[in-house]
Formats: sequence, structure tokens, C-alpha cells
Amino acid sequence: DSGVTQTPKHLITATGQRVTLRCSPRSGDLSVYWYQQSLDQGLQFLIQYYNGEERAKGNILERFSAQQFPDLHSELNLSSLELGDSALYFCASSVVFGQGSSGANVLTFGAGSRLTVL
Amino acid sequence: DQQVKQNSPSLSVQEGRISILNCDYTNSMFDYFLWYKKYPAEGPTFLISISSIKDKNEDGRFTVFLNKSAKHLSLHIVPSQPGDSAVYFCAASRRSGGSNYKLTFGKGTLLTVNP
Repeated sequence: DSGVTQTPKHLITATGQRVTLRCSPRSGDLSVYWYQQSLDQGLQFLIQYYNGEERAKGNILERFSAQQFPDLHSELNLSSLELGDSALYFCASSVVFGQGSSGANVLTFGAGSRLTVL
Repeated sequence: DQQVKQNSPSLSVQEGRISILNCDYTNSMFDYFLWYKKYPAEGPTFLISISSIKDKNEDGRFTVFLNKSAKHLSLHIVPSQPGDSAVYFCAASRRSGGSNYKLTFGKGTLLTVNP
């Protein structure tokens, strides 16, 4: 158990629908990150939040949105779903910097939410 | 634009031998490089990292080498064990100020260690 909790683990829905993925970061971590892993793709960075504020944006579609709440949990909202949105969605958290022994910022990942759009 | 590339989708080695996983990058502004390991049905877990000012970092059976001039890094696992069988992701980071931070990942290499 990494300490990062993601729900649901699996989700099957239809095209055009909207879903919400939830993430609780590791205790003490202020930053939350969302990544998407599609078939044959690496982990694509979507968005980062730090203490409730958006800090960095990656390849996140306009149909997707996210937020981080005062209790630091985060939600990723995916709307007008398309077949191509089927993927594993990972949440990760970190303190910010200096977490790793070499000074690298180490992200701790949850187990992921597998979304299947039919 | 794929800034971090792992050109080998898979690698198979015998137990006890050395596993060498390779990674190339294009952005010279990356300041840290990390390797993550991922088992099926689990999230990636941090394995080892290296600062861009170093050329080697060792942690037990795992050693990461960085060649900045070639924009290349490699992960060596010696000796390889069947439990090392997993997907290995190379990642690179660039601190863009304050709490802004992003890890850029490669597509991963599936390592299979045969008994």
C-alpha cells in the first residue's frame, strides 16, 4: 500500500458520459498529480495541484478538469467520453522537493483507476 | 514530442545475469532522472534516481549511469532476479520554479527475468 488511494479501481461507461475519479494523497503530501496511461503509451502527465491550486498543466483535454479540495484530496472529471479515453488513470502525490535521497522529487503513485469507455 | 525515449519495449535476461535498461532524452534542462518499476495491477513505484550533476548512483543491486553529453542514461540490475520482472519506466524532471514540477516518462521497458 503506497498510501495514495484511488477510487474506483475499475469503471465501465458509455461514450458521451461523464465520470469522476477520486484520489486521496499520502498523508502529509501537498501536491497531487494526474497521469494517463493509454495502450502502448507511457505515462502522460495531465495536471498538477499544490495545496489546492493548479500548478502545472500537461496534455489535458478541455473535456477533462480537475480540482484539489481543502482536505487535499483531488478529483479528475472526464466528460463527453470517447472510446479513446479508455485508459489507466494514475494519481500521484509528493511533498514537493527533497524527498528522495538524491534530492529528487519522488512521486508516490496510487494503484490507478481503469476506465473503459464502450 | 517525446522528450524521454525508451527504445526497447521489452528485454529478457536469465536469472543471475545483468539487466541493462536504456533511456534517451532530448531536453538538456532536465535536472533529475528517475527510474520507476511497475508490476501489473499496481501503480509505478520509485526505484532509484540520479541528479544531472552526477554520473552514477548505486543502491544495492541497482545502479543508474548518466551520460549527459550523449543525453543517455541506463539502469543496471546485477544480479537479476525473477522478482525484478516488471515494466521499468525512465522519467526526467525539470524544476520550473517554486512548487511547479512535472515528471516526463518514457513508454517503459518490460523486463522478464527467466529462472
